[in-house]
Amino acid sequence: EVQLVESGGGLVQPGGSLRLSCVVSGFTFSSYSMIWVRQAPGKGLEWVSYISSSTITTYYADSVKGRFTISRDNAKNSLYLQMDSLRTEDTAIYYCARDAYGSGSSMYYFDYWGQGTLATVSS
Amino acid sequence: AIRMTQSPSSFSASTGDRVTITCRASQGIGSYLAWYQQKPGKAPKLLIYAATTLQSGVPSRFSGSGSGTDFTLTISCLQSEDFATYYCQQYYSYGTFGQGTKVEIK
Repeated sequence: EVQLVESGGGLVQPGGSLRLSCVVSGFTFSSYSMIWVRQAPGKGLEWVSYISSSTITTYYADSVKGRFTISRDNAKNSLYLQMDSLRTEDTAIYYCARDAYGSGSSMYYFDYWGQGTLATVSS
Repeated sequence: AIRMTQSPSSFSASTGDRVTITCRASQGIGSYLAWYQQKPGKAPKLLIYAATTLQSGVPSRFSGSGSGTDFTLTISCLQSEDFATYYCQQYYSYGTFGQGTKVEIK
């Protein structure tokens, strides 16, 4: 059974940092590109960052470029999102998801999702 | 950046209805379009990819059509478990989502 489990969310003040983690099981993690998608309270979905299976390719939404860093540890079946210089508008549930295509360097669609972790940026 | 616009933003329907949701891209995206269903408090679920291909395990009452800039998601006979919010996503260039369409019970 494919599982993705996020953690690391919490309450942080503006300007602070959080590191989100996503541990996966049930598939060969090193063969798939991964993505972080967020959803602000009561709002729609927004892709945040993408990383290819080999870690060679990363993409960031303009809204987080220069502040967030995506990484992965294939040996630990883990995906990470380092979020720095946080703003109130970064408050959202953050989902990790698997890119269904597999090991490409372009973003496709997402076939498995975690349950999400809530990051709240507030003073 | 490619913008995705869904219509309507929300509507009410009854069990058994045939419903259609529209998604329009700001530029041509071929068939690089997916549809997701999201229920309150849950993660999105992939329904359709490549504009028309049903994801494994998704009921056949769901179908997708379109190419280029205009796409539709159709539910042929609405069931109680289908009341949810639906999102389109283009993956022609990165992965922009539409703003969502909420299907409510009439």
